[in-house]
Amino acid sequence: EVQLLESGGRLVQPGGSLRLSCAASGFTFSSYPMTWVRRAPGKGLAWVATISISGDFTSLADSVKGRFTISRDNSKNSLYLQMNSLRSDDSATYFCARGRRQVRTAVFFETGNFDLWGLGTLVTVSS
Amino acid sequence: DIQMTQSPSSLSASVGDRVTITCQASHDIVNYLSWYQHKPGKAPKLLIFDASNLEAGVPSRFSGNGSGTDFTFTISSLQPEDVATYYCHRYDLLPYTFGQGTKLGIK
Repeated sequence: EVQLLESGGRLVQPGGSLRLSCAASGFTFSSYPMTWVRRAPGKGLAWVATISISGDFTSLADSVKGRFTISRDNSKNSLYLQMNSLRSDDSATYFCARGRRQVRTAVFFETGNFDLWGLGTLVTVSS
Repeated sequence: DIQMTQSPSSLSASVGDRVTITCQASHDIVNYLSWYQHKPGKAPKLLIFDASNLEAGVPSRFSGNGSGTDFTFTISSLQPEDVATYYCHRYDLLPYTFGQGTKLGIK
C-alpha cells in the first residue's frame, strides 16, 4: 500500500527539541521531493519545509528558519524534521507530503502539488 | 511572499446544492494551484491540480477553474460525505502558501 506514516510527536517544553520522522512505503521514495506541512489548533494548513530528491536542496518557512532542519535518508525511505528551540506557536499536527514532481534549475525549484499525505503527528509545546 | 485569499471561511448548504469556493492570489500564479479536502483525523486529500485537473479517483462532482490570480472550486451536487475543510494551495514558487480554508457543512 502506498502510504506515509509520521511519528515522533509528543508534549515538549518550550525551548526543547524534537525529531519527527516520516516512513514511506509502497512507492520509490528516492524519486520524489518531500515536504512538511503543519496545522495548528484552530488554524489552517501551513507549509513548513521542502527537500529535494537528493537532499541537497532545502527550503524552510521564515517562521522556522534557523530552528528546524529537514533531511531525508533515501536508503531508509524516511523523511525527518529536526525541531529545536521549540515555541508554543509550533504546537500543531505535522504532516509529511509527497511532491508530484521536481523541476529544478540553477535559480528555480518546484515540486508540484502534494499528491500523497500522511495522517500526521501531534506536537504540543507547553510547560 | 505570494498570499492566497480564500473565501468564504465557512458555509453550510443542503444536500444536492451547488457549492463554490474562491481563491485569489496576490500575484499571477499561472495555473500552479491545487485544492485539497481535509477531514478531522484523516490525511489531506488532493482533489484538483494545475487549477482544473481532477485527480485520479476523485468524483466528477468536484471541479476547478481559473488562471492567473482568480480561481474557483465547485462541488456540483453536495453529498453528506463532502463535509470537510477545503484548502487552495499555490506551488509556483517557494515559499508555498495555502488559503485560510473553508469549513463546509450540511444544513
